[in-house]
Amino acid sequence: DAMVIQNPRYQVTQFGKPVTLSCSQTLNHNVMYWYQQKSSQAPKLLFHYYDKDFNNEADTPDNFQSRRPNTSFCFLDIRSPGLGDAAMYLCATSRKPGQGDTEAFFGQGTRLTVV
Amino acid sequence: AQSVAQPEDQVNVAEGNPLTVKCTYSVSGNPYLFWYVQYPNRGLQFLLKYITGDNLVKGSYGFEAEFNKSQTSFHLKKPSALVSDSALYFCAVRDILGLTGRRALTFGSGTRLQVQP
Repeated sequence: DAMVIQNPRYQVTQFGKPVTLSCSQTLNHNVMYWYQQKSSQAPKLLFHYYDKDFNNEADTPDNFQSRRPNTSFCFLDIRSPGLGDAAMYLCATSRKPGQGDTEAFFGQGTRLTVV
Repeated sequence: AQSVAQPEDQVNVAEGNPLTVKCTYSVSGNPYLFWYVQYPNRGLQFLLKYITGDNLVKGSYGFEAEFNKSQTSFHLKKPSALVSDSALYFCAVRDILGLTGRRALTFGSGTRLQVQP
């Protein structure tokens, strides 16, 4: 089945040690998103790619970076994780507007713990 | 900016009874509205959407939602709740992102549904 896959499901990292979360999709969607979700709160958009065009949200800390080497893969890099960055990170994809389905498809998430 | 509100942090209902999870929205223009469900330590699963057309939208797992333009609401409903429906439910609107004109989902604060046996 076509889907959005996030690896790993659970990640433990040390305070200040760079960490990378990965997301892949077989849906061939143009748009990929990264959301941060803390403690069953609403997911908060960090940034998104519209094809190769990177779009950062104004309030996303510089500590968070992203890479999209091709259509299928997208990475979230946290350069120096702090305790406040512990959260569930959700990757999602969607089609371009006007190309059909308007909903976003989510991966299972990566729960990041910072120790 | 567009927004969506979920006024109830938690909804409790007995198994077999009907359930309603409330959502109101604020948009400029035509709303694109969605409901997602999240089980513990999982991602979000799409339930249903309203784009245009019939005000009553049917979705996955027996859920439906009614779009009410005059009340700017999009409440999620199910005629008969199951214990397995217990989860966190998010209402979302497709929001316009800043100057780019692109769109991404903006979520409500979520409502925890607890269905008692």
